[in-house]
Amino acid sequence: DGGITQSPKYLFRKEGQNVTLSCEQNLNHDAMYWYRQDPGQGLRLIYYSQIVNDFQKGDIAEGYSVSREKKESFPLTVTSAQKNPTAFYLCASNSNMNTEAFFGQGTRLTVV
Amino acid sequence: EDKVVQSPLSLVVHEGDTVTLNCSYEVTNFRSLLWYKQEKKAPTFLFMLTSSGIEKKSGRLSSILDKKELFSILNITATQTGDSAIYLCAAPNLINDKIIFGKGTRLHILP
Repeated sequence: DGGITQSPKYLFRKEGQNVTLSCEQNLNHDAMYWYRQDPGQGLRLIYYSQIVNDFQKGDIAEGYSVSREKKESFPLTVTSAQKNPTAFYLCASNSNMNTEAFFGQGTRLTVV
Repeated sequence: EDKVVQSPLSLVVHEGDTVTLNCSYEVTNFRSLLWYKQEKKAPTFLFMLTSSGIEKKSGRLSSILDKKELFSILNITATQTGDSAIYLCAAPNLINDKIIFGKGTRLHILP
């Protein structure tokens, strides 16, 4: 089945550690996005990529990094520089700006 | 700066009521407005609106776009407890390729 898969669903991290969230899609979509969701904040854009080997900062990129080495994959690394990393992270993809974006099931990251 | 503003942020109604959710936008190079429903995890797509004044319907849900007033509404008639969710509105900017989301409306339907 075609879709977008995020893993893991739940992740616990100690303060000071980097952690990488996985996002894979088999929809042959060019564009991929990472959002962070906090209660009452809606979805805030972290990074996005329109094509392989290229990506742009979103509105809250500080403390995060990404790579886009393959069309199917857009992993997000939450670094120790991110001051408040506990949140729900959503990955999305679309084929172009004239179509809707599809979302993964999300990863809930908790820093302990 | 592009923005999407939803109202109300929270709404509690009784089963059977009709609700109207609002979304206003200021997005340069606007092309379409998107509505999503988020129950537990992944937002699921409801509607994409590109033309002003043309209502889109899916069962008890309907939505319309006003490109002159930069506004969209999502109506839900005869609400059911299964309609309880966060409803998200979004608009892509065609120049910088960002998809901008509002903060969402948290809808709770009481039995």
